[in-house]
Order: sequence, then C-alpha cells, then structure tokens
Amino acid sequence: QQQVKQSPQSLIVQKGGISIINCAYENTAFDYFPWYQQFPGKGPALLIAIRPDVSEKKEGRFTISFNKSAKQFSLHIMDSQPGDSATYFCAASRGSSNTGKLIFGQGTTLQVKP
Amino acid sequence: DVKVTQSSRYLVKRTGEKVFLECVQDMDHENMFWYRQDPGLGLRLIYFSYDVKMKEKGDIPEGYSVSREKKERFSLILESASTNQTSMYLCASSLDGINYGYTFGSGTRLTVV
Repeated sequence: QQQVKQSPQSLIVQKGGISIINCAYENTAFDYFPWYQQFPGKGPALLIAIRPDVSEKKEGRFTISFNKSAKQFSLHIMDSQPGDSATYFCAASRGSSNTGKLIFGQGTTLQVKP
Repeated sequence: DVKVTQSSRYLVKRTGEKVFLECVQDMDHENMFWYRQDPGLGLRLIYFSYDVKMKEKGDIPEGYSVSREKKERFSLILESASTNQTSMYLCASSLDGINYGYTFGSGTRLTVV
C-alpha cells in the first residue's frame, strides 16, 4: 500500500521560478517528514525535514509547508536554479519507532531550464 | 562524513541465479535498510535491520532475504533472480532515522536477463 502520495511526477520550471512539490499521507501516527534530493548516479541525500509541531520550516531557498489537518506537506524551492535539477522524494515515519523506518513517496523529477 | 558503500555499481545476472548485493557503512550505525527504486514507484523498503543478527521485512520482501553478520555490513540476497527484480537497489544506514536521517549508498543497477 502507498502511504505517502507525491505529485507531480515531473516538473519543469524556468530559472528563477518557484518549484512546488506536494505530498499527502494517510497514517496519522507519522510525525517526521523529510525531503530527500537525488542527483543522477547518486543516492538520495537528506535535504530538509519537519515535525508536525510547526507549520513551516525554511532553510535557504528550500521551505517545507505542513498542514496537519489536511495530512499534506509540500516543498517549495524559491528562485529555482539549474543546479536544483534532480529527483525529489518526500517521506514520513513514526517517531516512536526506534528504527526510523521511512516510507517514501513516488518521487518528482524536477528540471530547471536556464 | 558517513559513507555507505555498495560493492557494485552495475550488475547483469541471469534468471534463476542467486545474487548477492553487498553494503558496508563506516560509522557504526545501528540501522540499515535496503530499498529498490523504480520509476513512478519511488523507493520501496525490502528489508531492514536495527541490530546485528536482527532483521525485519519491509513492504516488498518476497523473493529477497538479507544477512547481517557484522554491524557494518548488510547484504541483500536474491534467492533466484527473476526479470521483475531488474531495478536500482539502494542501501542506507542511520544512527537514528528521526534525528539524523538516512545516508544512502550510490546504488546498484541490477539487470536480470
């Protein structure tokens, strides 16, 4: 079963634009929501993460917005750059689990055009 | 920085072969994971281990097994490779997935012919 649904599957944005990727989850026990970034030929790397006690977290040009009641969270990339072109995965896990087992979304391939 | 090393970048195996995918991490992490990555399906958890000799099934364990004899090494075994196991396999480790996230290897692209 797919517990984290991610959209869109692919996204093309002009340089300087805003990239927005959305995720929805089903399990209300989830309490940790990271985003991973993957470049071709590399494994995914942690980009930014949020817990449900805050509605927004910002790190540089990357912002996570979180809506607990709607069970949705999104990644915003401001002033998108060609170097941001990559595949992005959202994920979720239960903090009470000491394994930190992550459930990933389907991934979004972002292309930023110069 | 933590390194997670997967022994092979590309592998081509024949249907029915027994396949071993090796993963080694160098930072004494307790937790290790095997995922497969397929277009449109994201990363799906095959098996994970939170201690030496301990392992648990993930979401898609059928056709796979794992071995963790030492803390730093976590192996994925395809008992009898099939063409539907052609995929990118990613190994990850974490000290504590909640506070530190995962560190992934670069992946093994397995093709079963």
